[in-house]
Amino acid sequence: DTGVSQDPRHKITKRGQNVTFRCDPISEHNRLYWYRQTLGQGPEFLTYFQNEAQLEKSRLLSDRFSAERPKGSFSTLEIQRTEQGDSAMYLCASSRTSAGGRETQYFGPGTRLLVL
Amino acid sequence: AQKITQTQPGMFVQEKEAVTLDCTYDTSDPSYGLFWYKQPSSGEMIFLIYQGSYDQQNATEGRYSLNFQKARKSANLVISASQLGDSAMYFCAMREGRGGSYIPTFGRGTSLIVHP
Repeated sequence: DTGVSQDPRHKITKRGQNVTFRCDPISEHNRLYWYRQTLGQGPEFLTYFQNEAQLEKSRLLSDRFSAERPKGSFSTLEIQRTEQGDSAMYLCASSRTSAGGRETQYFGPGTRLLVL
Repeated sequence: AQKITQTQPGMFVQEKEAVTLDCTYDTSDPSYGLFWYKQPSSGEMIFLIYQGSYDQQNATEGRYSLNFQKARKSANLVISASQLGDSAMYFCAMREGRGGSYIPTFGRGTSLIVHP
């Protein structure tokens, strides 16, 4: 396993611009999760995929946030019309479903977003 | 109500001593999993240990052990023989099973500082 990778690691953008982040999960992991983490808080769940299917998206923060995983491998998280409040660390994690629910998520290094 | 509560914002421990980080949780789901993650200043979340709600024994992984008290709904992390490299944020998390849709919840974390 090469681990979960995320690109870019850092992103600075101006308010109102769109940004897109990419996550490459551990190969053979069928589940992929996106989180947001703000300073002094734990990761906040946003959405997750099982293969290509987005099984939970009600926690996406607003309709400006969207995520895709078109071929069941890598995923993208897009934020449209960014706001200063979107400044945070965006974390991706992947896992493999296992019997008995002993599923462990492995996290990437995160993408740190700063909206000016 | 908070699903995961970590009451210790910060903990200090001397190198080679043991330390316990507290975590209490709230769920009515009989099937759930509890996790501990370490987040060093670099930002990457590192999986430490897992405890399933039906596991009869407390989980152990090297220097990490989980003191699971189901009736009290607590899942404290014990780190034995602390090392300087253990200095980091530590997050407790819970995943509840809801018809196959697993949405993890993280606590706010405890900052651990190991001093020589």
